[in-house]
Amino acid sequence: KAGVTQTPRYLIKTRGQQVTLSCSPISGHRSVSWYQQTPGQGLQFLFEYFSETQRNKGNFPGRFSGRQFSNSRSEMNVSTLELGDSALYLCASSLTGTGYGYTFGSGTRLTVV
Amino acid sequence: AQSVTQLDSQVPVFEEAPVELRCNYSSSVSVYLFWYVQYPNQGLQLLLKYLSGSTLVESINGFEAEFNKSQTSFHLRKPSVHISDTAEYFCAVSSSGGYQKVTFGIGTKLQVIP
Repeated sequence: KAGVTQTPRYLIKTRGQQVTLSCSPISGHRSVSWYQQTPGQGLQFLFEYFSETQRNKGNFPGRFSGRQFSNSRSEMNVSTLELGDSALYLCASSLTGTGYGYTFGSGTRLTVV
Repeated sequence: AQSVTQLDSQVPVFEEAPVELRCNYSSSVSVYLFWYVQYPNQGLQLLLKYLSGSTLVESINGFEAEFNKSQTSFHLRKPSVHISDTAEYFCAVSSSGGYQKVTFGIGTKLQVIP
């Protein structure tokens, strides 16, 4: 059974650019959540999608957005990148809700220069 | 609102010694509790979880955690650690019902010393 796949693994972008990250959940999982991980802040919740609808949202500016497709694959987009957006972005899938626990991908390491 | 406090940012321990990683949570409603482990350059892996029932939960690799509602704690323990247990451990909480976001603690780095 394939795990959660995140692409790309590493990314270097310049301030002001935009970036799109992709996440393919485990087959059959309908919930996809995104987290930003930084050394000082730990894991910060971005948003969760379930059956193509955003079900929960964290406290991030509108530059951070996401979507989910009918096959449960999800993308997140960050526009007008800032240096502080440098982080490991983790995607986590779950069958239907958090009670099942998350399965995480290996993450996308974004560096903004 | 819910929150998680992991009291120790780093815990060094000698191989084969016991270890306890502390976690306290705050929530106004019933909760689900989780421990995740992260090895270098990898995502997080679910170690164990408490949903309901027995307050003592165990993982397949010898870790256990006990839910203490009165002390709002969910400490992680292992009676004898191995070098391979060196990793970062995250405690997490979500409101029960399954549709709420999961809030993570800041993490505790466990360093096992040979």
